[in-house]
Amino acid sequence: QVQLVQSGDEVKKPGASVKVSCKASGYTFENHGISWVRQAPGQGLEWMGWISASSGNTYFAQKLQGRVTLTTDTSTNTAYMELRSLRSDDTAVYYCARDFPGWGGFDYWGQGTLVTVSS
Amino acid sequence: QSALTQPPSASGSPGQSVTISCTGTSSDVGGYNYVSWYQQHPGKAPKLMIYEVSKRPSGVPDRFSGSKSGNTASLTVSGLQAEDEGDYYCSSYEGSNTVLFGGGTKLTVL
Repeated sequence: QVQLVQSGDEVKKPGASVKVSCKASGYTFENHGISWVRQAPGQGLEWMGWISASSGNTYFAQKLQGRVTLTTDTSTNTAYMELRSLRSDDTAVYYCARDFPGWGGFDYWGQGTLVTVSS
Repeated sequence: QSALTQPPSASGSPGQSVTISCTGTSSDVGGYNYVSWYQQHPGKAPKLMIYEVSKRPSGVPDRFSGSKSGNTASLTVSGLQAEDEGDYYCSSYEGSNTVLFGGGTKLTVL
């Protein structure tokens, strides 16, 4: 069965960076892109960006461009999201999600990783 | 890149139907048939309920249906059940390889 398993919760200081991993199993990794979506406490979902697991092409939400890097490792079927220059309003649960072919939706999600930014 | 507009709350009694709207613009909801809907229970990851406006993934009950008219998409839940309570989010492709989510709707089963 398809599974996306994310790395554990993190606590970071303002200005630091965080890197979250998302290990995929149960499907051919290169056949689907991975999006990253975050959710601040008590707030809605925010799409952050997308990476093609086959080509490595990336697209980002305008507000995060320049602060976020998405990568994949096809040898371990793992996607990574790195966010730099962390601020308190980056405190959120970060999810990876597998995309439907095209932009139809996200059919499988990781369990979420809480990133807390606090001095 | 403002969020799609959803009502903050919706409610219905068991067995009733409820419809949640999702309003965007001609650049997102109205411009593409790439609207999807997600259900989220507290402390859990979102679950895909509808994709490409009206298609249901395998395993999603046919009580859930989606539609679109102009710049507004809708999710209808028929025959409400207690387990349908939760937060619902719409999303839409908005061109330039980016995606937009709605602000979310809290569905209460009375």
